Amino acid sequence: KNQVEQSPQSLIILEGKNCTLQCNYTVSPFSNLRWYKQDTGRGPVSLTIMTFSENTKSNGRYTATLDADTKQSSLHITASQLSDSASYICVVRTGNNRKLIWGLGTSLAVNP
Amino acid sequence: DTAVSQTPKYLVTQMGNDKSIKCEQNLGHDTMYWYKQDSKKFLKIMFSYNNKELIINETVPNRFSPKSPDKAHLNLHINSLELGDSAVYFCASSQDEGSGRALPYEQYFGPGTRLTVT
Repeated sequence: KNQVEQSPQSLIILEGKNCTLQCNYTVSPFSNLRWYKQDTGRGPVSLTIMTFSENTKSNGRYTATLDADTKQSSLHITASQLSDSASYICVVRTGNNRKLIWGLGTSLAVNP
Repeated sequence: DTAVSQTPKYLVTQMGNDKSIKCEQNLGHDTMYWYKQDSKKFLKIMFSYNNKELIINETVPNRFSPKSPDKAHLNLHINSLELGDSAVYFCASSQDEGSGRALPYEQYFGPGTRLTVT
């Protein structure tokens, strides 16, 4: 069964600290993996999209990694800011039926 | 300029009523989607349209009927609303990734419509 699991479910860190969010998937065949940021009361916004051949991709203070062999991805946030408080969702697209399999997200709270 | 817009932003209605949510995108995208996000924050795809043609229809009650008058619009009509329909509904759009394309396209989401059925 195609599934995307994220950990931790929620996380609280202090402003300025780094953190890493995890995503494990069992989707097959694999096409690409996306990380979204969803602020409270808003729609998700894409942070990165990674294909099979990409190991690391950065978008400002966000760095995503992908290990297609172990079917794991991580999102590392550097020097966190209060505005990073949001839900971070991992999404994997299947390679055959064009479906996006969504994770439940990690709720991140950055405190001053 | 708003890329993907939805109206209304909030919708409160009673059980049994029929309501519509409108979505428009000005990005020139070929594909549009409707998602439902429940109280547990899980985003679930409902429908996907490509060039006005339905390509994904997940297990959604037939009380939900999407309508795409043109590529830039995908409206969602809901008949006989039930309490369980209360959720946030997101519209999204993207270029069509196709079956053989190497580079994936991003999805752009609207601001959401919070539907409350009482």
